[in-house]
Amino acid sequence: AQSVTQLDSHVSVSEGTPVLLRCNYSSSYSPSLFWYVQHPNKGLQLLLKYTSAATLVKGINGFEAEFKKSETSFHLTKPSAHMSDAAEYFCVVSDTSGTYKYIFGTGTRLKVLA
Amino acid sequence: EAGVAQSPRYKIIEKRQSVAFWCNPISGHATLYWYQQILGQGPKLLIQFQNNGVVDDSQLPKDRFSAERLKGVDSTLKIQPAKLEDSAVYLCASSLVSYQETQYFGPGTRLLVL
Repeated sequence: AQSVTQLDSHVSVSEGTPVLLRCNYSSSYSPSLFWYVQHPNKGLQLLLKYTSAATLVKGINGFEAEFKKSETSFHLTKPSAHMSDAAEYFCVVSDTSGTYKYIFGTGTRLKVLA
Repeated sequence: EAGVAQSPRYKIIEKRQSVAFWCNPISGHATLYWYQQILGQGPKLLIQFQNNGVVDDSQLPKDRFSAERLKGVDSTLKIQPAKLEDSAVYLCASSLVSYQETQYFGPGTRLLVL
């Protein structure tokens, strides 16, 4: 069965410094992996997705993630944090063995300090 | 392109009352999902429709929750009777097809059961 673990429930960074949000997955099949962002009282917005093409995936707003099969990781990074990046971030693995349903991590709340 | 629409945005009810949520997916999207997101957790899939047929409802508490998607377009999720532990955000999402396709989320309905 697929699962995903977000290693940090909260991350704080200063504005202008790099962001690293960590995600490890478990999958018996070639996974599809996603990062979504959720701003307060807003719906989930797709940042980027990996679907077995290039291992380095670029997303919106300067975010990117690298799929590392040997480490079963899909960490999200951004070179320079902006105040508007403060939000909840979810790592998602898609169950490619059957219904392709999403399995969400527990989320990482990113705080950006001025 | 219009996004996924949900209503109402907020609902407060007392336990044992009934409540219904409505979702209109993006036009042309065959797959529709309902998720429950409890505070501090990632969304959990309740039910997945492909057109107007149910693909997965394994995590839907069928003794009190029901959902339908008439004519394969919009959908209604009902809770009857509500319990305190049903307090959550209910998210609707849609995708063109289920496999490896991005899910697009609505803004959600925040339910508080007193």
